[in-house]
Amino acid sequence: AQRVTQPEKLLSVFKGAPVELKCNYSYSGSPELFWYVQYSRQRLQLLLRHISRESIKGFTADLNKGETSFHLKKPFAQEEDSAMYYCALTAAGGTSYGKLTFGQGTILTVHP
Amino acid sequence: KAGVTQTPRYLIKTRGQQVTLSCSPISGHRSVSWYQQTPGQGLQFLFEYFSETQRNKGNFPGRFSGRQFSNSRSEMNVSTLELGDSALYLCASSPGLAGGPDTQYFGPGTRLTVL
Repeated sequence: AQRVTQPEKLLSVFKGAPVELKCNYSYSGSPELFWYVQYSRQRLQLLLRHISRESIKGFTADLNKGETSFHLKKPFAQEEDSAMYYCALTAAGGTSYGKLTFGQGTILTVHP
Repeated sequence: KAGVTQTPRYLIKTRGQQVTLSCSPISGHRSVSWYQQTPGQGLQFLFEYFSETQRNKGNFPGRFSGRQFSNSRSEMNVSTLELGDSALYLCASSPGLAGGPDTQYFGPGTRLTVL
């Protein structure tokens, strides 16, 4: 079974402060992890996926298989980062056939 | 390219009725996945279609069904609606390439309210 846990429902930081959104997963196979973001009144969109190892909008995430975590980090938060963030998992190799397992989401608020 | 579109955007139905939701994927995408989003359960996978075939199904009752057409457009149907079916229904499309999970691109959703 696949499970994704985002322990923080709400996270508030001030502009310029570092931010870390936690994501832990449970999966017996080889995972592919994603972070999706939903800004106010916009659709869900991909922020980053671990396999691409890109930094998007200053965000990075490292897959730690030992701790089964995929935390999202940004060194200096901006007000425009305020949004709902979802961590999602699927099976590597494409064997999940379109199934993403999502965490419950974390609402990030960046105060001026 | 145009993004994923879903119609209608809002629906109000009464218990016992049935409903059909439509999803048009990004041009060239052959895989369409459907999700139900509720405040209590979050985002839950319903099913996925690729080349008109259902390849994967989530843990939902048989009242939830879907299909995909030859142009990759997809519909989902919910029969005998229950109050608990009130939710935002999202579809997502991806290329459906072999050998690895694709990035899914989401539509704006259809908000279904069951009275």
